[in-house]
Amino acid sequence: AQSVAQPEDQVNVAEGNPLTVKCTYSVSGNPYLFWYVQYPNRGLQFLLKYITGDNLVKGSYGFEAEFNKSQTSFHLKKPSALVSDSALYFCAVRLQGSTSGTYKYIFGTGTRLKVLA
Amino acid sequence: DARVTQTPRHKVTEMGQEVTMRCQPILGHNTVFWYRQTMMQGLELLAYFRNRAPLDDSGMPKDRFSAEMPDATLATLKIQPSEPRDSAVYFCASGFRLAGNTDTQYFGPGTRLTVL
Repeated sequence: AQSVAQPEDQVNVAEGNPLTVKCTYSVSGNPYLFWYVQYPNRGLQFLLKYITGDNLVKGSYGFEAEFNKSQTSFHLKKPSALVSDSALYFCAVRLQGSTSGTYKYIFGTGTRLKVLA
Repeated sequence: DARVTQTPRHKVTEMGQEVTMRCQPILGHNTVFWYRQTMMQGLELLAYFRNRAPLDDSGMPKDRFSAEMPDATLATLKIQPSEPRDSAVYFCASGFRLAGNTDTQYFGPGTRLTVL
């Protein structure tokens, strides 16, 4: 079955330290990969996406993600964490749908990032 | 600042009642998604539309759920009859897709549904 895994329910990091939120996927073909962030009582906000090309993708708020095909991973990173980065982070993959021209999106279960002052 | 809007933001209802959730996508977007978020299941795609036509609703329980787009500015998700297990936050998202482009989805604030 095609899936997206976020192995950590929660990640704690001190402010100013680098952070990594992990994501691995198991899909056929070449996936399109996304990261979204959700703040309390809000909808998800797009951070970045990987389609093709450079394995290091830069996104909003200083976040970046590295696509690693051999490890089927798409980890989210930031060089220096801020307290305001504390939120729920979702990795997602776009798959071909059952009908031509349609797509399915599978989201990971989310990782709660807590940045400590 | 264009945003996806959803109404109501909160809904408490009794089992068996009909629930209608509404979504106004960002003007000009041609793709609309409905998701359900629960602690147990995470974020699940229920249905999505492109140019008002339903493309995939395989994630939606067909016996009680229905999704429509009466026009380009309104998407609705209806549950009839509602059950306690439908309690969740329902998100609408919109995007714009041309051939070869990838959807970036813009999410609304969600409707928190509680079925007693």
